[in-house]
Amino acid sequence: GAGVSQSPSNKVTEKGKDVELRCDPISGHTALYWYRQRLGQGLEFLIYFQGNSAPDKSGLPSDRFSAERTGESVSTLTIQRTQQEDSAVYLCASSFPGDRGYGYTFGSGTRLTVV
Amino acid sequence: SQQGEEDPQALSIQEGENATMNCSYKTSINNLQWYRQNSGRGLVHLILIRSNEREKHSGRLRVTLDTSKKSSSLLITASRAADTASYFCATGLYSGGGADGLTFGKGTHLIIQP
Repeated sequence: GAGVSQSPSNKVTEKGKDVELRCDPISGHTALYWYRQRLGQGLEFLIYFQGNSAPDKSGLPSDRFSAERTGESVSTLTIQRTQQEDSAVYLCASSFPGDRGYGYTFGSGTRLTVV
Repeated sequence: SQQGEEDPQALSIQEGENATMNCSYKTSINNLQWYRQNSGRGLVHLILIRSNEREKHSGRLRVTLDTSKKSSSLLITASRAADTASYFCATGLYSGGGADGLTFGKGTHLIIQP
């Protein structure tokens, strides 16, 4: 597709359950990023993938969060044993490697609500 | 910790007026980018300015960068109701390779009154 696709767009889950969020980046974008945005707040960096290099996981808030990416395609962000503070919009973005001046292309996000 | 901090946090102006938002950051950067977000969803990339540039234009947008003051401004001229959105600045530390995650500020919420 032409843009970054995220699914589901909305997810309501019970506290303690696991959730899996999916991101399909733009073809050719080797860099992929996950961010979290709580209501009324800025974007919080979670994890960064670049090609086949080891991902930068420095932003993951706890060991309940993990992410995988298969090659240079789909990525999944998994949150285990969800807590209410995990409620947020999870945004995925992709870009060309390095600085080509185009910035990031964001998906529409997954709005996660933990009840 | 936040790298970019936008100012003001909220701005309300009349349609047709110019809107100016500012961004300050703390460390040396390779580039600074501005994004728009409608309705709390995906962000749209507006413009990127590199550390060796001072001013850049794109349509009704004008961005300035002052690396000595570690600050940037985004000017939207002749504002329209459709410009109502949150605007974020983001700083890029690297020109390529390595951890290239942009650091975003908390945003300026702009409201254009018809």
